[in-house]
Amino acid sequence: DAKTTQPNSMESNEEEPVHLPCNHSTISGTDYIHWYRQLPSQGPEYVIHGLTSNVNNRMASLAIAEDRKSSTLILHRATLRDAAVYYCILRDGNAGNMLTFGGGTRLMVKP
Amino acid sequence: GAGVSQSPRYKVAKRGQDVALRCDPISGHVSLFWYQQALGQGPEFLTYFQNEAQLDKSGLPSDRFFAERPEGSVSTLKIQRTQQEDSAVYLCASSSTTGGEEKLFFGSGTQLSVL
Repeated sequence: DAKTTQPNSMESNEEEPVHLPCNHSTISGTDYIHWYRQLPSQGPEYVIHGLTSNVNNRMASLAIAEDRKSSTLILHRATLRDAAVYYCILRDGNAGNMLTFGGGTRLMVKP
Repeated sequence: GAGVSQSPRYKVAKRGQDVALRCDPISGHVSLFWYQQALGQGPEFLTYFQNEAQLDKSGLPSDRFFAERPEGSVSTLKIQRTQQEDSAVYLCASSSTTGGEEKLFFGSGTQLSVL
């Protein structure tokens, strides 16, 4: 799987939107962009994924750059329960579905 | 239950002991994965099963690590002669198909401490 680059940590205030960036300049045409998050003492949890177009679900939105070399996970209103490590992962649609995790971004939410 | 279940939740072993970690995937899920997560790090891939077939074991760190899924459902990760560097959280995940778009469901993990 191609490599992604994320900031080590970010801070947000409760009830405010959060934009978590991810760079993936070596993305290939068959790579899906997946986001997972891991709350303390839990296993990773699926958040959202996309290929080319922006995506929305009940948890978040995913904005994908036109050249697909970067993407942004958007949490519209951060809550204290959103404090977690967020992982941006590229996954080849043709090569099975193993996830290769990087270091992720630790999101801290202040009340 | 509806999710991936792992047991035990915590395991303490003396160096040199053998341990067995169990994973119950979501019923009917074809794919099953094991990951190892050291403190403060992202999960590292260990091995992958498609039904009962172990298709990828490239992440197993040594021949002391062995995984099986004999009937294509429950899986066991066995670590022989445990060492202190084996201390980590061991995560299991499953997914319903083998497609690259498919999402993985993770268990809460087994935290292994080797003394």
